[in-house]
Amino acid sequence: DAGVIQSPRHEVTEMGQEVTLRCKPISGHNSLFWYRQTMMRGLELLIYFNNNVPIDDSGMPEDRFSAKMPNASFSTLKIQPSEPRDSAVYFCASSLLKDTEAFFGQGTRLTVV
Amino acid sequence: GEDVEQSLFLSVREGDSSVINCTYTDSSSTYLYWYKQEPGAGLQLLTYIFSNMDMKQDQRLTVLLNKKDKHLSLRIADTQTGDSAIYFCAEGGNTDKLIFGTGTRLQVFP
Repeated sequence: DAGVIQSPRHEVTEMGQEVTLRCKPISGHNSLFWYRQTMMRGLELLIYFNNNVPIDDSGMPEDRFSAKMPNASFSTLKIQPSEPRDSAVYFCASSLLKDTEAFFGQGTRLTVV
Repeated sequence: GEDVEQSLFLSVREGDSSVINCTYTDSSSTYLYWYKQEPGAGLQLLTYIFSNMDMKQDQRLTVLLNKKDKHLSLRIADTQTGDSAIYFCAEGGNTDKLIFGTGTRLQVFP
């Protein structure tokens, strides 16, 4: 398996535009997590899914953020409209069970100007 | 609620030992983890310890767990420049998800 795959690796967009980040978890993993990493706040859990169902989205900053997992092999994190303060590295991770080792993707570095 | 705390920075000289500390709040955690993040990369599992253990050693790495004080530490012996990275502790087990600390940035200088 190639591991958790995220795309794009880098995204630069203008304020107000819609941004969609994509993630392909490791095949067979049942849990998927979206994290955001910034220098000021460290690593923050935004939302996680178990068996494609959102379990806890309390970390999603506000209504501009939404995440979907239409099937076991794909998830998206959407920001609409984007703002400069959304600039961060966004990580997707998956695990076999919800509380076992999480495998991380390479991250998407988002810059909103 | 669940919380994991770490200091943000640690600077050590090459060849010395590094000790990265972490405190957590969820006493029901079954496993505690240390992850390493190298520049420009995602997090990778470095080592973990089961909650009924006090210590685990793996080559240059030693993990110490004090359940009474809810304190976890990672000791890296003979620290090398290649050890420079951000180190995250995380707890999991009886919670619904892994809870990560904010990470400790280890800088190794010659």
